[in-house]
Order: sequence, then C-alpha cells, then structure tokens
Amino acid sequence: GESVGLHLPTLSVQEGDNSIINCAYSNSASDYFIWYKQESGKGPQFIIDIRSNMDKRQGQRVTVLLNKTVKHLSLQIAATQPGDSAVYFCAERAAGANNLFFGTGTRLTVIP
Amino acid sequence: DSGVTQTPKHLITATGQRVTLRCSPRSGDLSVYWYQQSLDQGLQFLIQYYNGEERAKGNILERFSAQQFPDLHSELNLSSLELGDSALYFCASQAGTGGGIQYFGAGTRLSVL
Repeated sequence: GESVGLHLPTLSVQEGDNSIINCAYSNSASDYFIWYKQESGKGPQFIIDIRSNMDKRQGQRVTVLLNKTVKHLSLQIAATQPGDSAVYFCAERAAGANNLFFGTGTRLTVIP
Repeated sequence: DSGVTQTPKHLITATGQRVTLRCSPRSGDLSVYWYQQSLDQGLQFLIQYYNGEERAKGNILERFSAQQFPDLHSELNLSSLELGDSALYFCASQAGTGGGIQYFGAGTRLSVL
C-alpha cells in the first residue's frame, strides 16, 4: 500500500550494508514506541518496539535506539537484504493514551 | 499472516454512497483500531473499540462510524462518500488496550469515483 508518496523521505542502501532509519517524535510524554514495515500492497508489519524506560533493544538483525533527550528514535537493520525494501514507519503512544501516532514513513530501497 | 482479516480487499463506489468495511481481529484480541492511509496524510488513527465499547477517537469524520460486535469483529461504516475518502483503510487488533503491539490486516482499498 502506498503511504505518503511524493513527500516520503527515501533511503537507498547497497545489499549487505547496514541501514539506519531515523524518526523524530514531538511528544515528550510518549512512553512507547514501535516500528513497522509496510511492503507494497500489504498492511504494516510489526518489527520491534521499545518502552521509554529503555534506550536500546535488539531483535533479529534489527536494533532500535531511543534518545529521549532529543526525542529521537532510530531503527538499524544489519546486513540489509532486498527483502527489506519497504516503507518503514515509527509510531509513538502518549502515556495514558490508547492509540498510536504514526510518523510519515521512510522508503528504504535496497540495491542488489 | 498477521491473523487479522479485512474484507473486502477492494471497493469501488460512487460519491454519495455508503459502504461497510469489516475486520476480524486475531483470536483472543479484544481491541480493534481503525486507520486511514492516504497519499498525503500517512496513517491516521480513526477510532478504537475494546471489548465492544468505544475507547478512543481520532480524526474520524461524522460521516464515519464504527462498532464492535459481541464476537469482537468490527465494522467501519462510511457514508455520503466523497472523492477525498478514497484511501486504504486498515484495522489493527491488540490483545488489550494502551501500549502494546498492534497487528494490522491487509487493508481495504476504497476508491470513490
């Protein structure tokens, strides 16, 4: 499925390189953050999440870093593969809220 | 496969019409969230239901409404459709409410002509 389209930030990386996708959030009261991957024609797929009492969390080939001081979140993908090509969204949840607030997304293209 | 089922996958209709989008959450999940994804606005939260009751409301138009049934499936009703309502509509389910992973369905693509 398409997301933001013309104004979507893009990142191109060579296959096998590491990717870093950044996300700035605005609400200092947010206590939960999550990354999703959306491939064309599909719904967002959960990648990794992190709570505000942590500053790093690792998964399989992915790492999320949270810097609350500057309200910045990043997703690192190790040894990027062609199958990683997609749009990546970060989302935040304000403390006490139920819903997620999504960022605009970054389109990652992996060059074989 | 996320376990969340949305039907139909595609819907084409005319302005002024009314449509119903359906979502079946993952087994055991009590919360359903609806989102709208359009080219110029990304993923926008519309509304959340938890165990049959409305829990949170986002930027949902008055022409739109939703409900969650006793079997926990949910329907999003869109009426008096306008061209600008053309978008992808996703539902997501979550075990509880508040913080936690939301699992998304494949979406319904609505085209209003």
